[in-house]
Amino acid sequence: DSGVTQTPKHLITATGQRVTLRCSPRSGDLSVYWYQQSLDQGLQFLIQYYNGEERAKGNILERFSAQQFPDLHSELNLSSLELGDSALYFCASSGLASYNEQFFGPGTRLTVL
Amino acid sequence: GESVGLHLPTLSVQEGDNSIINCAYSNSASDYFIWYKQESGKGPQFIIDIRSNMDKRQGQRVTVLLNKTVKHLSLQIAATQPGDSAVYFCAEPSSNDYKLSFGAGTTVTVRA
Repeated sequence: DSGVTQTPKHLITATGQRVTLRCSPRSGDLSVYWYQQSLDQGLQFLIQYYNGEERAKGNILERFSAQQFPDLHSELNLSSLELGDSALYFCASSGLASYNEQFFGPGTRLTVL
Repeated sequence: GESVGLHLPTLSVQEGDNSIINCAYSNSASDYFIWYKQESGKGPQFIIDIRSNMDKRQGQRVTVLLNKTVKHLSLQIAATQPGDSAVYFCAEPSSNDYKLSFGAGTTVTVRA
């Protein structure tokens, strides 16, 4: 158990809908990272937050957004969902602003029908 | 695009044998690499890391070798066990931010 929690574990929705994925980092970790894992693209970095502020951005679509709250949990919002958004979404956390040893949560499996 | 890549997508190994998983990278300025293990239904788990000022680093049953001349790193697992069956990723942080770039992954299957 990495100490990072993600909810829900599974999510099934329809095209055009909007969903919110939630992540709670390890106790004391200030950095939260979001990754997407799909069969054709592998593990792709989406976005990072550090202590509530956006720190780095990767291949995140404009339909996707994220935020980190004062209690350090983070949410990833996916809107206008398309079939191709079906994937595993992982959250990771680390103790410093650096990238060392990111701890990954169990992931949320999103299926868009 | 990816800066790290793996040589083989799959590896089948007999229980008790040693496993070697390879990874190549393209940026000669890269100075830090990480190996992750992802078991079925779980998130990636940190195994071991290495910085460019080292050629070798050992952990518990795992060794990472870094060859900067040919921009290659490998993960060696000693006495492979059934619990080692997983997908293994090499990862590299980008130089100007904190995102990790992952290779495509090698699926290791341990035969009893």
